[in-house]
Amino acid sequence: GDSVTQTEGPVTVSESESLIINCTYSATSIAYPNLFWYVRYPGEGLQLLLKVITAGQKGSSRGFEATYNKETTSFHLQKASVQESDSAVYYCALAGNNNAPRFGAGTKLSVKP
Amino acid sequence: GGIITQTPKFLIGQEGQKLTLKCQQNFNHDTMYWYRQDSGKGLRLIYYSITENDLQKGDLSEGYDASREKKSSFSLTVTSAQKNEMAVFLCASSIETGGYEQYFGPGTRLTVL
Repeated sequence: GDSVTQTEGPVTVSESESLIINCTYSATSIAYPNLFWYVRYPGEGLQLLLKVITAGQKGSSRGFEATYNKETTSFHLQKASVQESDSAVYYCALAGNNNAPRFGAGTKLSVKP
Repeated sequence: GGIITQTPKFLIGQEGQKLTLKCQQNFNHDTMYWYRQDSGKGLRLIYYSITENDLQKGDLSEGYDASREKKSSFSLTVTSAQKNEMAVFLCASSIETGGYEQYFGPGTRLTVL
């Protein structure tokens, strides 16, 4: 089936350090996957961070970047220098054009000041 | 902008009871979704609907019914509540499936006694 696997949390990094949260997908029934990163900040609802719907393209938002790599079936989330305000739970998700998105298990990120 | 409203915010039921959760959106979106999230886990798709009166089963539809009688509302029924169904149920909507952003509600927390 179609699924997403992401870095198991919790992940703790210090402020100004770099971050990578891995996401790999399996799209056995989806010809053209659409890939997303969603985020839930403490006390807030789940919201879109970034998305990429074309293989080879990069999405970016709030200093985070993710590149859709069809060869390695990956969509890793990266940030060069994290801030305490980036502490949140991050979810990678996959959808086909006629399918509902499926989500990974989530990665809880804590940034130490 | 728009908003997704879920009622009730907290739902306490008895084992074996039939329980209904409601979701309303004013985005005028065609597609609506129900996900279940267990503590510390990812989102699992229960049902989604691409238009009024349409229903599509997700990965976790057994034990649930859904109803989309109006474009703006999508309800979910737990047909027989079980002890191991304590979870948060998230409703979402989007313009369509595929590469479109989902907007999420705040969730209904279900506890079965």
